[in-house]
Amino acid sequence: RKEVEQDPGPFNVPEGATVAFNCTYSNSASQSFFWYRQDCRKEPKLLMSVYSSGNEDGRFTAQLNRASQYISLLIRDSKLSDSATYLCVVNKRNTGNQFYFGTGTSLTVIP
Amino acid sequence: DVKVTQSSRYLVKRTGEKVFLECVQDMDHENMFWYRQDPGLGLRLIYFSYDVKMKEKGDIPEGYSVSREKKERFSLILESASTNQTSMYLCASRRGGGTQYFGPGTRLLVL
Repeated sequence: RKEVEQDPGPFNVPEGATVAFNCTYSNSASQSFFWYRQDCRKEPKLLMSVYSSGNEDGRFTAQLNRASQYISLLIRDSKLSDSATYLCVVNKRNTGNQFYFGTGTSLTVIP
Repeated sequence: DVKVTQSSRYLVKRTGEKVFLECVQDMDHENMFWYRQDPGLGLRLIYFSYDVKMKEKGDIPEGYSVSREKKERFSLILESASTNQTSMYLCASRRGGGTQYFGPGTRLLVL
């Protein structure tokens, strides 16, 4: 079973729409959670960390549900520039602090 | 401004050649990583290093080796390149469990 699973999409949404991605992780010992963004033919970059109480950064909201072992990313008022692949990342300290990456969810925002 | 650099953006090599991919970071990070990224498979960890002269196998180390002689530099070596090693190679570094920074990637084509 994969450490981190994401729906690959693609998600095609119109500008201004709200879109949500979920990601599930397999190990309850996971301790840190992140969303990374990867543009086409570029490297992944940190979008935001995910805190237990949930957190918001502008139009982006991240939430963690430890009981069900999933994290989510909500994007409000989608912009064309949000088009990218969004990677879910989980860190397990008992495996030497290794990060586990999901395969990514592809988002295209359409004019 | 944090920086991870990789020696080449694009490489074309022939089967059986020895290939060196270099990665340098200027953030004094102790942790460095090599991944490959393939469509549908996401990021897969090849090798990582927690300190100078230290290395650990990741999920797919076969056919690869690494070298970390200096803290800022982590090299990936393909001892005898094969066509199934055609991929995007991404180097990353981080301090502890913090943000992981990626290099721009090297697209390797093995003919």
